[in-house]
Amino acid sequence: DIQMTQSPSSLSASVGDRVTITCRASQSISSYLHWYQQKPGKAPKLLIYAASSLQSGVPSRFSGSGSGTDFTLTISSLQPEDFATYYCQQSYSTLRTFGQGTKVEVK
Amino acid sequence: EVQLVESGGGLVQPGGSLRLSCAASGIPVNDYSMNWVRQAPGKGLEWVASISSGGTFIYYADSVKGRFTISRDDARNSLFLQMNSLRAEDTAVYYCAREIGVSRSDYWGQGTLVTVSA
Repeated sequence: DIQMTQSPSSLSASVGDRVTITCRASQSISSYLHWYQQKPGKAPKLLIYAASSLQSGVPSRFSGSGSGTDFTLTISSLQPEDFATYYCQQSYSTLRTFGQGTKVEVK
Repeated sequence: EVQLVESGGGLVQPGGSLRLSCAASGIPVNDYSMNWVRQAPGKGLEWVASISSGGTFIYYADSVKGRFTISRDDARNSLFLQMNSLRAEDTAVYYCAREIGVSRSDYWGQGTLVTVSA
């Protein structure tokens, strides 16, 4: 199975901060990498697909980059509604796998 | 409007069985690959199973292979997950989700809680 490793596992930030989360795959996954946001008690929400494409309706302060094994999710200016947990997921393999999650907390 | 609504969760004893359903509206499930994803209490997301649009290709996580069966009923526009030989570690909220494009999951249900306990 392809292992997905996110870092950091958690971070503290303030409104207006630039936030960067990284995701590393155990083997090359081309651009088959997606980012989800999840708030407590809610289903995950797709933010970025194919490493860098913004899902319809998602604010432009979210962006993604990378290919191969190393990927990044960036929030350019953190907003109050962005405090949540973020997951990366690969779909290169038929056995999908998620990263362990990154919790973005209030500083 | 696209809606996925899971049902069938509940409390079951170890070794027992449960069948989860995911009723879709606004999309024909037979046109898409569909997934089950679960989340244990306080833990991260874990992909469980996938079924392709034609039903030809089915895949399972190693943790559930041989115990869980994913299926679909196109007439009822629904997805199912038959779970047998349940273990305590299967306790989780189970979500169904649609896959499109480069196999990203764009629509998710609200989830149904499965608790395996004596």
